[in-house]
Amino acid sequence: AQSVTQLDSQVPVFEEAPVELRCNYSSSVSVYLFWYVQYPNQGLQLLLKYLSGSTLVKGINGFEAEFNKSQTSFHLRKPSVHISDTAEYFCAVRGDSGTYKYIFGTGTRLKVLA
Amino acid sequence: NAGVMQNPRHLVRRRGQEARLRCSPMKGHSHVYWYRQLPEEGLKFMVYLQKENIIDESGMPKERFSAEFPKEGPSILRIQQVVRGDSAAYFCASSSIEIETQYFGPGTRLLVL
Repeated sequence: AQSVTQLDSQVPVFEEAPVELRCNYSSSVSVYLFWYVQYPNQGLQLLLKYLSGSTLVKGINGFEAEFNKSQTSFHLRKPSVHISDTAEYFCAVRGDSGTYKYIFGTGTRLKVLA
Repeated sequence: NAGVMQNPRHLVRRRGQEARLRCSPMKGHSHVYWYRQLPEEGLKFMVYLQKENIIDESGMPKERFSAEFPKEGPSILRIQQVVRGDSAAYFCASSSIEIETQYFGPGTRLLVL
């Protein structure tokens, strides 16, 4: 069985400061990893994904994430946040074969302060 | 290039009524997935459908919930005799083939009074 843990339910950060949102997963098989962003009362927008290849993945809006297999982590980072980055961020995992179910973490609420 | 469409965006029902949620996948996508997001929680898989077939409904409650994806028209998630605990955001996702990335719609927020 697979699971995703997002340890931080809320992360406040000042504008233009760097941020890291943590995601750890457990799985007995190889996985694909995703980060989605959800703005208030909106759907989920794909930020970035790791399927294979380079462990450093760049996404939209200046975000990037690094896949660390030994630590089973896929932390999301941005060097300088904007007020508009205030949203809920979800990490998700799915197996690399034979499964289509996404397993989501409980989300991290990023609040960017002026 | 329209994304995944869901309607209504907000739905209010009284206990005991029926709720019908619609999802139109992205153009060219024939795989549809429904997820439910309870307050303060992540999304949970409910059901996976292809045209006219339910592939996996292991995440659906056994009673009152049903889903379909007819040959023509949108996918429908139907909840009969709604209860307060059904209040949640219901998201639909679609993909072109099973192994590809799923793209999510804006969700339907169901409130049961």
